Amino acid sequence: DTAVSQTPKYLVTQMGNDKSIKCEQNLGHDTMYWYKQDSKKFLKIMFSYNNKELIINETVPNRFSPKSPDKAHLNLHINSLELGDSAVYFCASSQAARMWNEQFFGPGTRLTVL
Amino acid sequence: KNQVEQSPQSLIILEGKNCTLQCNYTVSPFSNLRWYKQDTGRGPVSLTIMTFSENTKSNGRYTATLDADTKQSSLHITASQLSDSASYICVVSLYNTDKLIFGTGTRLQVFP
Repeated sequence: DTAVSQTPKYLVTQMGNDKSIKCEQNLGHDTMYWYKQDSKKFLKIMFSYNNKELIINETVPNRFSPKSPDKAHLNLHINSLELGDSAVYFCASSQAARMWNEQFFGPGTRLTVL
Repeated sequence: KNQVEQSPQSLIILEGKNCTLQCNYTVSPFSNLRWYKQDTGRGPVSLTIMTFSENTKSNGRYTATLDADTKQSSLHITASQLSDSASYICVVSLYNTDKLIFGTGTRLQVFP
């Protein structure tokens, strides 16, 4: 199936731990994103990569470090997890053309920090 | 400040009825506006995309309108079905960037 996939779907961990979320897209897109959706369902951009290069980095703590080994993958590593990191994280991808920048979203990863 | 506001926050309707969701934005410079549907436990899925020159666009029972002068958009759902129960998110794109500004969504529940 052509899609954006994320693993794991659910992640429960203790405060202070380090965890990673993986994202892969087989749509042939050049740009990938990470979004955070809080308890109020508000989606907020965290990072954007185009051809493995960082192009958007919103005011995200440096405990969050995205890594793009190739343009089909964008992983999110989080160090020293805090309670406030609990949220649903969505990966998305799009073609590089900005005017018709339709983004395709993955199913999300629900992170719970205890 | 670039913002997207939606109303109502939540809406309950009976199956078969029509409904209209509203979106007001203050994003500038404007590129395009889209409506997404997000089912519970899933990622958002695009319904329509409109540029400033488009007034209306349909996708099946979904019809979106855009007034770029007043910076308002609406999503009209005709003959609602149980599967329409979801959150509907209005998203505005900044011109010449990959950045999207998301609204907080309207949660629609359709009951039989």
